[in-house]
Amino acid sequence: GAGVSQSPSNKVTEKGKDVELRCDPISGHTALYWYRQRLGQGLEFLIYFQGNSAPDKSGLPSDRFSAERTGESVSTLTIQRTQQEDSAVYLCASSYGSANTQHFGDGTRLSIL
Amino acid sequence: GESVGLHLPTLSVQEGDNSIINCAYSNSASDYFIWYKQESGKGPQFIIDIRSNMDKRQGQRVTVLLNKTVKHLSLQIAATQPGDSAVYFCAENNQGGKLIFGQGTELSVKP
Repeated sequence: GAGVSQSPSNKVTEKGKDVELRCDPISGHTALYWYRQRLGQGLEFLIYFQGNSAPDKSGLPSDRFSAERTGESVSTLTIQRTQQEDSAVYLCASSYGSANTQHFGDGTRLSIL
Repeated sequence: GESVGLHLPTLSVQEGDNSIINCAYSNSASDYFIWYKQESGKGPQFIIDIRSNMDKRQGQRVTVLLNKTVKHLSLQIAATQPGDSAVYFCAENNQGGKLIFGQGTELSVKP
């Protein structure tokens, strides 16, 4: 398909472990975003990549969270030393430029035991 | 400790009726607004958008109204169908790229 693809779709891990979440954006989209969605709530912005510019990391909740993007393709979101409050759905979106419609993947549901 | 999900505002309508979902946004400098539909277990799906130089935009069965004076956005769905049942979020484009999402409204369509 041509949509945003995220993997894994579900991840269960023990508190204190590191996790890595992957996002494959729509081909040709220069902008990529990560959001977090807690149960029954709206989406919270985490980080945003636009082309070769420095990423906007202003939404990352702590230094345990980091993200990388390879060129204008795949991105990984890493959470180190996971805590129970990290349990949420992590959503990735991409767009053609920053002022255009963001298209979302179906997310990774992360559960910390 | 135990985490408890918030109760979303809920709108219940009869199939065939029109639905109106409202949203208040936060930043008067926001210049782009989007409505998303989210079904259970899925990511948000784009419905319609509007830029701040407009006050109304129509799509297929949906209309978005923007009132910048009171920072209010609404989504109107005509002839609501059971497949429209979902959570609806408004979002504003603020500070160049990231979206600021509202709390969401759960739309329930009764057949």
